[in-house]
Amino acid sequence: GESVGLHLPTLSVQEGDNSIINCAYSNSASDYFIWYKQESGKGPQFIIDIRSNMDKRQGQRVTVLLNKTVKHLSLQIAATQPGDSAVYFCADRGNTPLVFGKGTRLSVIA
Amino acid sequence: KAGVTQTPRYLIKTRGQQVTLSCSPISGHRSVSWYQQTPGQGLQFLFEYFSETQRNKGNFPGRFSGRQFSNSRSEMNVSTLELGDSALYLCASSSQPGLNTGELFFGEGSRLTVL
Repeated sequence: GESVGLHLPTLSVQEGDNSIINCAYSNSASDYFIWYKQESGKGPQFIIDIRSNMDKRQGQRVTVLLNKTVKHLSLQIAATQPGDSAVYFCADRGNTPLVFGKGTRLSVIA
Repeated sequence: KAGVTQTPRYLIKTRGQQVTLSCSPISGHRSVSWYQQTPGQGLQFLFEYFSETQRNKGNFPGRFSGRQFSNSRSEMNVSTLELGDSALYLCASSSQPGLNTGELFFGEGSRLTVL
């Protein structure tokens, strides 16, 4: 079946450094992806999305890159802060139902 | 405007009991989806409702059921609880169901512990 997977379950980053969280997908027809952030004890929150007609999309301190050739997307967080500590999920919105990856736990080292 | 509201936030049940969880979507949203989140399996889709109709159902046993009311509020029920049903149950709403229809807004979840 279709799947979305993150490459690393955990990532530790020094405060102030940039973070890169990767995600691979299997459905070549997928054309809309969303990144979610889930803090402890809370539900997932929308960070940024990207459609397949784009290779890159930027938000506030976050950038998502989409490589359709290798079916890979990444979330880059600039100048990582302690408040960025959370689990990050990529989700394939082009699937119904929405398919989530298992998540990468980002830990920020002060 | 108010976000997605789930009640109760925490509950403890014993094996064999049943539980009902409630979700009120964002005002104006008519699509509600339910997910089960566990450490081992991640986020797994349970059901999706739109205009009181179930549009999609995940791969869960018949003990898991849901419904949606005319005001878009949704409930899910789990009967004959098992230890493995312990999880965070998340509800998400969107203005429309289905593919590529934008962001899902999640509630804080209902954490169920089965003893």
